[in-house]
Amino acid sequence: RKEVEQDPGPFNVPEGATVAFNCTYSNSASQSFFWYRQDCRKEPKLLMSVYSSGNEDGRFTAQLNRASQYISLLIRDSKLSDSATYLCVQGGNKLVFGAGTILRVKS
Amino acid sequence: DVKVTQSSRYLVKRTGEKVFLECVQDMDHENMFWYRQDPGLGLRLIYFSYDVKMKEKGDIPEGYSVSREKKERFSLILESASTNQTSMYLCASSSGTGNTIYFGEGSWLTVV
Repeated sequence: RKEVEQDPGPFNVPEGATVAFNCTYSNSASQSFFWYRQDCRKEPKLLMSVYSSGNEDGRFTAQLNRASQYISLLIRDSKLSDSATYLCVQGGNKLVFGAGTILRVKS
Repeated sequence: DVKVTQSSRYLVKRTGEKVFLECVQDMDHENMFWYRQDPGLGLRLIYFSYDVKMKEKGDIPEGYSVSREKKERFSLILESASTNQTSMYLCASSSGTGNTIYFGEGSWLTVV
């Protein structure tokens, strides 16, 4: 079993939709998690950090469920510019990356 | 802003050649990392370093070595490039444990 697992998608949604991704992790001792966004042929860039139960930044909400060992990312009012791959990351001495979830927002 | 610079963005090398990928960060970060990213496999850690002259193997160190002679610079070396090392290589840095990691723009290596 992979340490960090994500549904690869792609998730195809219309503009304005709400979309949610889940990510499961195996290291119950991990204290920090991150969501990164990666555009095609570009480097990953930090979207949100999650250190406790959750975090919210505008249209983006991340939630951490330690009991079930998953992190979710909710995107409200999707924009065309949200189209990207979203990487879930388990923190620690060595960050562990999920393979990513592809989101395509269409007009 | 944190800046992680990978000087070689696009390289084409022949099988058996020695390849150097250089990475420099300007934020005095202790930790530096080298990943490779391949379609469907995500980012895989090759080597990382917590301090000058320190290195630790990641998940896929075979065929690679690294050098960290100065805090700001972390080099990835392919001693004898092979076609299965064709990939996008990402350098990253962070401060402390569990903190945000910042990536360079990536180096696209093709081995023919």
